[in-house]
Amino acid sequence: GAVVSQHPSWVICKSGTSVKIECRSLDFQATTMFWYRQFPKKSLMLMATSNEGSKATYEQGVEKDKFLINHASLTLSTLTVTSAHPEDSSFYICSAHTTGGSDYTFGSGTRLTVV
Amino acid sequence: LAKTTQPISMDSYEGQEVNITCSHNNIATNDYITWYQQFPSQGPRFIIQGYKTKVTNEVASLFIPADRKSSTLSLPRVSLSDTAVYYCLVVGRPHNFNKFYFGSGTKLNVKP
Repeated sequence: GAVVSQHPSWVICKSGTSVKIECRSLDFQATTMFWYRQFPKKSLMLMATSNEGSKATYEQGVEKDKFLINHASLTLSTLTVTSAHPEDSSFYICSAHTTGGSDYTFGSGTRLTVV
Repeated sequence: LAKTTQPISMDSYEGQEVNITCSHNNIATNDYITWYQQFPSQGPRFIIQGYKTKVTNEVASLFIPADRKSSTLSLPRVSLSDTAVYYCLVVGRPHNFNKFYFGSGTKLNVKP
């Protein structure tokens, strides 16, 4: 089946630094990917829609300059958390739809801890 | 986008059948109902999808009444490993890469 690989699975960084999270579709092309964040014991919250070859569209309240999304190829989308602060600590998850498929496949998630 | 409502949590015992109901009163004609399972610190995993009546696969069944305003995920003979959060989503098809939003989900706790 379709596989979405997300890397790294966890990362710890210092306040003020930037962190890049990668989301790859391994055996299919994904023109659109989605990024979510999830706080402990809470549901997934959609952050943005990543479109290959064009700018990402962000949900209301999500800072686009804070969370930079790049979708440079049909198999890779990246989320960069810029100038990270402790409040950015969260679980970030990406997903992609398989063309012709009937569902969305999710990555395994990235646990970001900002200290 | 159709909003979904599910019970926040449910308890069950090993070997029992578990039914989780989801309400989606504003479902549109081209919307499909999809259920995902999520374990802690993992991404959601697809369980089952349906449009109407009944769908069954190797892990679950999905029951959808004629008005499609609700759906019930049925897990037969649950085990401890089925302890997870279950999300009901309503997504339009053809997908056209529609974005979708997660509801609160149902935390299923399976006890020995």
